[in-house]
Amino acid sequence: NAGVMQNPRHLVRRRGQEARLRCSPMKGHSHVYWYRQLPEEGLKFMVYLQKENIIDESGMPKERFSAEFPKEGPSILRIQQVVRGDSAAYFCASSPGPQETQYFGPGTRLLVL
Amino acid sequence: GESVGLHLPTLSVQEGDNSIINCAYSNSASDYFIWYKQESGKGPQFIIDIRSNMDKRQGQRVTVLLNKTVKHLSLQIAATQPGDSAVYFCAENVGGNKLVFGAGTILRVKS
Repeated sequence: NAGVMQNPRHLVRRRGQEARLRCSPMKGHSHVYWYRQLPEEGLKFMVYLQKENIIDESGMPKERFSAEFPKEGPSILRIQQVVRGDSAAYFCASSPGPQETQYFGPGTRLLVL
Repeated sequence: GESVGLHLPTLSVQEGDNSIINCAYSNSASDYFIWYKQESGKGPQFIIDIRSNMDKRQGQRVTVLLNKTVKHLSLQIAATQPGDSAVYFCAENVGGNKLVFGAGTILRVKS
């Protein structure tokens, strides 16, 4: 039973480019969450999605960041015009429903040069 | 505001000893708490969780204690092994969706 899948595992971008991070939830999970982790810090919530709906985006920066979870395919976290401060590890988690255990993927480590 | 914090940033224990990692939370309305283990370069791994209608829950070699009166959570690891070396995070489920994580405690197991 595959866990949460994320790709790419590592992503290098130059300032001003776009970054696309993908997340496939565990089988049977319809709730997806994105978190960001800076070095030696805890994870910070960004956004919570269900299929085709954004439920809570209170942790998303107002500009340049967007997320989607289409009816078919993985959830995508998109960062436009990346800046050095976007360098971090981005983790996706999934759960079968709200208030249930969130299981995390291996993360995507974004480095902005 | 929402915050979850840890008392000790680093804990060193001898192999075979028991470990206790502590966590304080501030949101008295939270009703679900989770402990995660994160090894270097990996995602957080679920260890154990507890809901606010309980004060203790046991798993394999791990026990979580919840004291709602003082808003304190602890993780006890019995017979700590080298493979337990990692960063441990407590997390608080706020409003049914997002998790609020503490800063983390580094557990180092000495052989």
